[in-house]
Amino acid sequence: EAQVTQNPRYLITVTGKKLTVTCSQNMNHEYMSWYRQDPGLGLRQIYYSMNVEVTDKGDVPEGYKVSRKEKRNFPLILESPSPNQTSLYFCASSPDRGQKLFFGSGTQLSVL
Amino acid sequence: GEDVEQSLFLSVREGDSSVINCTYTDSSSTYLYWYKQEPGAGLQLLTYIFSNMDMKQDQRLTVLLNKKDKHLSLRIADTQTGDSAIYFCAEKGGGFKTIFGAGTRLFVKA
Repeated sequence: EAQVTQNPRYLITVTGKKLTVTCSQNMNHEYMSWYRQDPGLGLRQIYYSMNVEVTDKGDVPEGYKVSRKEKRNFPLILESPSPNQTSLYFCASSPDRGQKLFFGSGTQLSVL
Repeated sequence: GEDVEQSLFLSVREGDSSVINCTYTDSSSTYLYWYKQEPGAGLQLLTYIFSNMDMKQDQRLTVLLNKKDKHLSLRIADTQTGDSAIYFCAEKGGGFKTIFGAGTRLFVKA
């Protein structure tokens, strides 16, 4: 089944403790992206990647890192999480440079 | 900068039509989208329209685009309880970024 898989679904952590949210897609898509969803703000793009080893900042990249060492994986790294990064995170991939996005089920992150 | 705005809530009775409205600011948008988010799930592409089209119909869904007013709407005919979800309007220009609205939560009363 074609899908975007994120893990974990839920994560509670404390300020400053490094964490990684994984994202994997099995559709051979070149484009992948991370979003955060906050009430009343919709989805805001954190980082995106056009292909392996090609990444670029979105609208809200501060406090996040990404890597794209393989086509299928696009992990999101929070080196030193802070409470304002408490949010619902979505990974997405696209076969056509971001035109039609396929989303994962989301990761609810709480930073205490 | 680019912005997409939509109302936050809409409540309709089962069997009625729902109309969700959206306005956007980027006149260079080439694609406009409607995504649906069901509880506990990611967004799913519902339908989309090219900027050179005025209307697109797909079964119970009708998308209307007024490019002059930068207004997009989604009409759901014969709304069912299974249509209860959050609907996101989104637009994409020539770059790699898709701009999303805040989402409209549709409540369908039985």
